[in-house]
Amino acid sequence: GNSVTQMEGPVTLSEEAFLTINCTYTATGYPSLFWYVQYPGEGLQLLLKATKADDKGSNKGFEATYRKETTSFHLEKGSVQVSDSAVYFCALSGGNNRLAFGKGNQVVVIP
Amino acid sequence: GAVVSQHPSWVICKSGTSVKIECRSLDFQATTMFWYRQFPKQSLMLMATSNEGSKATYEQGVEKDKFLINHASLTLSTLTVTSAHPEDSSFYICSAPNGLAGETQYFGPGTRLLVL
Repeated sequence: GNSVTQMEGPVTLSEEAFLTINCTYTATGYPSLFWYVQYPGEGLQLLLKATKADDKGSNKGFEATYRKETTSFHLEKGSVQVSDSAVYFCALSGGNNRLAFGKGNQVVVIP
Repeated sequence: GAVVSQHPSWVICKSGTSVKIECRSLDFQATTMFWYRQFPKQSLMLMATSNEGSKATYEQGVEKDKFLINHASLTLSTLTVTSAHPEDSSFYICSAPNGLAGETQYFGPGTRLLVL
């Protein structure tokens, strides 16, 4: 079945540092890939998405490229801010809008 | 943007009682909604798909009689945790796809359930 794997553990970094969160997936067919963000006390929000191989999703300075050859969708941001502190979830949709999520990564940005 | 609400935001109940959680799409219609369960520091686990006008579709391992789902209208789905026990304590989240936005799903803020 479909599954998503995110790197283990929280991520702590200083303001203006470069952020990378790894995400790999296993799926049949050609899924759509998503990054969702959950700010403290709020519901999940779509951060960006890509629907086919080599597509790059981007939003708020974050980027992720759909890599079919490596089955990856790593999230990157060149210069993080304190306001980026949140939990980030990688997800895929294999059809019928059913989402499979990774475990999520807590990102803490220190001033 | 599209908004999904949940009510209540948190609930504490005694073991053996039933708890109803509502999920509403406020500014769009949703023929399908999804219910997830999230354990502390873990991912969201899809429990079931709520279908307006037909029975819900449950994921493997989810007890249908334990987690009753009713999609009462195009803007409302309810999840009832029947005869709740402490192991049912969790964070329950719903989502709804907005057809106009393609595959984008909009999530409710979640309901924290604590069963004593």
